[in-house]
Amino acid sequence: SQTIHQWPATLVQPVGSPLSLECTVEGTSNPNLYWYRQAAGRGLQLLFYSVGIGQISSEVPQNLSASRPQDRQFILSSKKLLLSDSGFYLCAKGREGGQNEQFFGPGTRLTVL
Amino acid sequence: QKEVEQDPGPLSVPEGAIVSLNCTYSNSAFQYFMWYRQYSRKGPELLMYTYSSGNKEDGRFTAQVDKSSKYISLFIRDSQPSDSATYLCAMMKGFQKLVFGTGTRLLVSP
Repeated sequence: SQTIHQWPATLVQPVGSPLSLECTVEGTSNPNLYWYRQAAGRGLQLLFYSVGIGQISSEVPQNLSASRPQDRQFILSSKKLLLSDSGFYLCAKGREGGQNEQFFGPGTRLTVL
Repeated sequence: QKEVEQDPGPLSVPEGAIVSLNCTYSNSAFQYFMWYRQYSRKGPELLMYTYSSGNKEDGRFTAQVDKSSKYISLFIRDSQPSDSATYLCAMMKGFQKLVFGTGTRLLVSP
């Protein structure tokens, strides 16, 4: 199964407020998980990836952090949101068996005002 | 210079036309190539995955890779209005790190 759930679907937050976006996946254990951001007019930018519980790699230094408290749960957080954090946040899962394809969830649209 | 270049469009075609979508890239380290389709306000959907030069066909879709020219294409035959979406090319370097083009918006009119 490549089913990926993301919560919430839409979020409007004031500048300086905290953030927590959740991603849960179905399927085999120990999947590779990814957080991407898609800004208007720009391609998808990889933010974080994880190969296992507690293992997080950051691709872009920024105002965000990620955690993987459970095998199939990936969380994106911020302590204080900036206007520039607005965008479409996508969680992705690698295909089982270490293959290269990545499958995306439905996304969370974040607007920071 | 961006690692992956993709014309943003929009590309407008009539129903039934053959569509050609393209990306160029600068890094010869890219080994795996994918095409995603993204409808408005939805997550991208994987359409095609290939890792060698040449053609790969799946239904109405054909992915073509030319590593010598650093050029990839996606062809859509008998295009339908439901094909109207943004098409993203993506390439992999390193450990499962995808690099995306900015996407081409396709409009198929009935």
